Amino acid sequence: EDQVTQSPEALRLQEGESSSLNCSYTVSGLRGLFWYRQDPGKGPEFLFTLYSAGEEKEKERLKATLTKKESFLHITAPKPEDSATYLCAVDGLRGGFKTIFGAGTRLFVKA
Amino acid sequence: IAGITQAPTSQILAAGRRMTLRCTQDMRHNAMYWYRQDLGLGLRLIHYSNTAGTTGKGEVPDGYSVSRANTDDFPLTLASAVPSQTSVYFCASSGDTGELFFGEGSRLTVL
Repeated sequence: EDQVTQSPEALRLQEGESSSLNCSYTVSGLRGLFWYRQDPGKGPEFLFTLYSAGEEKEKERLKATLTKKESFLHITAPKPEDSATYLCAVDGLRGGFKTIFGAGTRLFVKA
Repeated sequence: IAGITQAPTSQILAAGRRMTLRCTQDMRHNAMYWYRQDLGLGLRLIHYSNTAGTTGKGEVPDGYSVSRANTDDFPLTLASAVPSQTSVYFCASSGDTGELFFGEGSRLTVL
């Protein structure tokens, strides 16, 4: 059964304090690993797709990396506006159209 | 650009009542999904549709039904609401690349 575990559940950073969020996954053949950002009261918003181990994607202060068992979302010099919940999700080859989500990491960045 | 439109935004419902959550997309995506989001559990797939005329069960389908009469609309029906169906419901769609586009959510409270 496909599974996604995110850690930590919550992370509090000072502005400018870089850190990483972890996503561990078990999947029957990875079709894609996705990162989303969700602001309070809003729907998730797509950030990145990673397809194979070793792949990296960057967007502003965010960089996503992928290994065969984990993905990391690195946040460099975060700003208060980066505060949000970050969701990791996987599509497995046997899952068809069923994207499985982790519970998310709530990030708080204090000025 | 509207993307995914959900209605209602929020609703309070008496237990045992029937309720339909509406979802419309304007991106001509083949695949559509309904997720529920509960604190600590993340997003869980209720039902999905690969294309108009077909539907499938997700992780938590009991007590819910869907239909997909055309490409744009994907309503979710609770035939007889129960308090455990209190949640935030998100509709989403996806194209060929697999990333999901979400609506703003429908907050449902069943008393």
